[in-house]
Amino acid sequence: AQTVTQSQPEMSVQEAETVTLSCTYDTSESDYYLFWYKQPPSRQMILVIRQEAYKQQNATENRFSVNFQKAAKSFSLKISDSQLGDAAMYFCAYRGLNSGGSNYKLTFGKGTLLTVNP
Amino acid sequence: GAGVSQSPSNKVTEKGKDVELRCDPISGHTALYWYRQRLGQGLEFLIYFQGNSAPDKSGLPSDRFSAERTGESVSTLTIQRTQQEDSAVYLCASSPRQGARLEAFFGQGTRLTVV
Repeated sequence: AQTVTQSQPEMSVQEAETVTLSCTYDTSESDYYLFWYKQPPSRQMILVIRQEAYKQQNATENRFSVNFQKAAKSFSLKISDSQLGDAAMYFCAYRGLNSGGSNYKLTFGKGTLLTVNP
Repeated sequence: GAGVSQSPSNKVTEKGKDVELRCDPISGHTALYWYRQRLGQGLEFLIYFQGNSAPDKSGLPSDRFSAERTGESVSTLTIQRTQQEDSAVYLCASSPRQGARLEAFFGQGTRLTVV
């Protein structure tokens, strides 16, 4: 079974600074997708960024980028120029491409609570 | 609708009562998922629907939990004889179809408190 580990329960950053959130995962599959979701107090999960395991190039979405290290099974999220609106819970998630046909189930880490200080 | 809608937003119930949680997915989305989020935890997969059928119910924690979907639209998650350990946020998500790459769009969840 796949597992996702987020070792930082809480992180804080100063506004305009850069912060990196860590995520590691365990899988025996070679093809999969990795996601970072943001959950503000409204509870709605919002997709921040997505990485396809077969792509070596790290995904980037504006101020958000990832450092994907497939051999190390590491998938960290970097937030540049942090803004007050970035404050939220961040979840790392895994979805296998061919998990016996079950390529729909997202497996989540326990989350990292990010605080942005003005 | 514009997004995934869940109702009620919050529900307080007495131990032993039955509850129904509703999810309205994005129109046209054939894939629908239920997840449970306990306090301080990540999301646990409960059940997945493709159309009106549920090929994977493996995440349902006990036979007190059941779910159905009708008209390839609305889904209802029912918890019978609620227990305090059922207290959690129940999140619903939908996707245009099944596919590993596809984004799952989430609702705002129902916070269930069993007293």
